[in-house]
Amino acid sequence: NAGVMQNPRHLVRRRGQEARLRCSPMKGHSHVYWYRQLPEEGLKFMVYLQKENIIDESGMPKERFSAEFPKEGPSILRIQQVVRGDSAAYFCASSLSGTGNTEAFFGQGTRLTVV
Amino acid sequence: DQQVKQNSPSLSVQEGRISILNCDYTNSMFDYFLWYKKYPAEGPTFLISISSIKDKNEDGRFTVFLNKSAKHLSLHIVPSQPGDSAVYFCAASEISGTYKYIFGTGTRLKVLA
Repeated sequence: NAGVMQNPRHLVRRRGQEARLRCSPMKGHSHVYWYRQLPEEGLKFMVYLQKENIIDESGMPKERFSAEFPKEGPSILRIQQVVRGDSAAYFCASSLSGTGNTEAFFGQGTRLTVV
Repeated sequence: DQQVKQNSPSLSVQEGRISILNCDYTNSMFDYFLWYKKYPAEGPTFLISISSIKDKNEDGRFTVFLNKSAKHLSLHIVPSQPGDSAVYFCAASEISGTYKYIFGTGTRLKVLA
């Protein structure tokens, strides 16, 4: 049973380009969460999605960032017109249930570097 | 506003001794707590959790203690092993809320052989 798969593992973008980060949840999991970790900081919640629905996007920057989790295929975190401050590790997690008392399983992350 | 705090950025312990990692929280609505371990260039790995109806949960060498009145939890690792060297994150959530973990900033544990 494969774990949470994220790709690419490393992504380099020039300022102004778009970054697309992909996340395939664990088999049977329909709840996906994106977190961002800036250097020397903890993980910051960005967005929580179920299939075709955004449940909580309170941690998403208001501009340039969007996320989706279509009926078929992986969840995508999209960052438009990237800036140097977007450089971070982006982690996806998935869980079986959306209630708060089950553990989430994390992928290995995508390290975005904006040059 | 840091709702989950890990005030010790780093900790060094001799192999075989006990490691104690601490975590404080401010939001009284949190009722489910977790510890994750993270190696460099990898994603966090779930270690152990505890709900607010308990004050202790044990899994092998790992025990989590919860003191609700003090809004404090701790992770005990005994005996510590060199392979335990990693960054440990404390996280909290509300069972009745959306599934959103709030993470602390982590404690880097180094177990010395």
